[in-house]
Formats: sequence, C-alpha cells, structure tokens
Amino acid sequence: QVQLQESGPGLVKPSQTLSLTCTVSGGSISSGSYYWSWIRQPAGKGLEWIGRIYTSGSTNYNPSLKSRVTISVDTSKNQFSLKLSSVTAADTAVYYCARFPVGPGAFDIWGQGTMVTVSS
Amino acid sequence: EIVMTQSPATLSVSPGERATLSCRASQSVSSNLAWYQQKPGQAPRLLIYGASTRATGIPARFSGSGSGTEFTLTISSLQSEDFAVYYCQQYNNWPFTFGGGTKVEIK
Repeated sequence: QVQLQESGPGLVKPSQTLSLTCTVSGGSISSGSYYWSWIRQPAGKGLEWIGRIYTSGSTNYNPSLKSRVTISVDTSKNQFSLKLSSVTAADTAVYYCARFPVGPGAFDIWGQGTMVTVSS
Repeated sequence: EIVMTQSPATLSVSPGERATLSCRASQSVSSNLAWYQQKPGQAPRLLIYGASTRATGIPARFSGSGSGTEFTLTISSLQSEDFAVYYCQQYNNWPFTFGGGTKVEIK
C-alpha cells in the first residue's frame, strides 16, 4: 500500500529556508491520479493547507504563504518537496505531506508528520 | 477564503452514546466537504468525503450529512477508540481550509 514519509531538518534558524521532502512508496507519484500536498499544524492548533503539486509540475498555493512557498516534484525519485523561505517562529509546526485524488475523495493518505522548530 | 466553523469545541460523551458534530462554512461549498479524525501524535485519518461518503475501511457508525453551508458528522455509538479530535475541511474553493476541530472526550 502507498505510504508517505516526510524528511528534513527539525530545526531551522529564523530568516532561513525550511526544506522538506516527502517520499512516496508503494505507488508511483507519476500515476496522474493524485495531487500531492503539504499541510501543517502548530502544536495544539488546527490544520493549515500550504499547497499542492500535480505530476505535471502544476502548483497551487495558499495565498497566505504564496510569496514564500515553493513546491516541486522529482518523479525520478518518487518525491515531492517543500521550500518555505524567510521563516519565523510562527512557522514552527508539524508538517505533513498528503495525497488528494483527482477524482472523488479527499486527503486519503498522510505521512506521519515531521516537527520543524524555527529558533536561533 | 472560506472559513469553516466547528461546534462544539469540546463534546463530552459516554461510551455507547451518540455524538453529533457540526461544521458550518462561511459560504457554500456544495458537497465538497471532508471529515477527519486525529488522535494525539498521529496524522489525521480521512473518515468522510463528499459530505456523506465513508472512506475505505471506515466503520458504518460514522455518517456524514449536509450540503451547502451546514454539515454534520454523527457517530452512532461511541467506542473507546473514537475519542479524538475531529476536523472538517472544504475542498470546493482555494485555498482548502479546515475547521478548528471538535474534541470528543469521555464523559
């Protein structure tokens, strides 16, 4: 079955760029049947959708983060990535990757999440 | 941005009882509404999509209803494993947005 796994530094300094990768196993990211998203959750708070990418490289971003976010895909590695620039303490959160079907459905498979702390 | 408002924030229910959770959208999202369950330290799990369709492997005690701006998640008879936080999410408009969550706790 398909699994998603986030990876990347757990600590990022203020003003630097947060970089995370989501590795897809058990299925191909190039299938064309899904969009691939990043979602985050500050401790004790709710969920915020960051953005998504399709196999073609087409992206959609949350306007609240759009100026700082880049999501990219590497089909050869079956991975997609998140870059969030100019981070502050407000970007401290658990970051999840998740897939969303092109057809009927919603975020049906999630990674386990990775905690990222922004601190000097 | 569509604002999703969930109520109540906390729901105290005894095992075996029925739980009814509400979600309201600030504008119509048609039936493009999903419900998720999240337990401490875990990722959210999809329960319902399309406002009323159970996701694969979700027990029949979970049901969703509503359309437009008013939605309900009902858990017909709460089991011990159902005590968790529940989120609604709209995917009708960009950006996708989530409600603030309802915590279902043991009474």
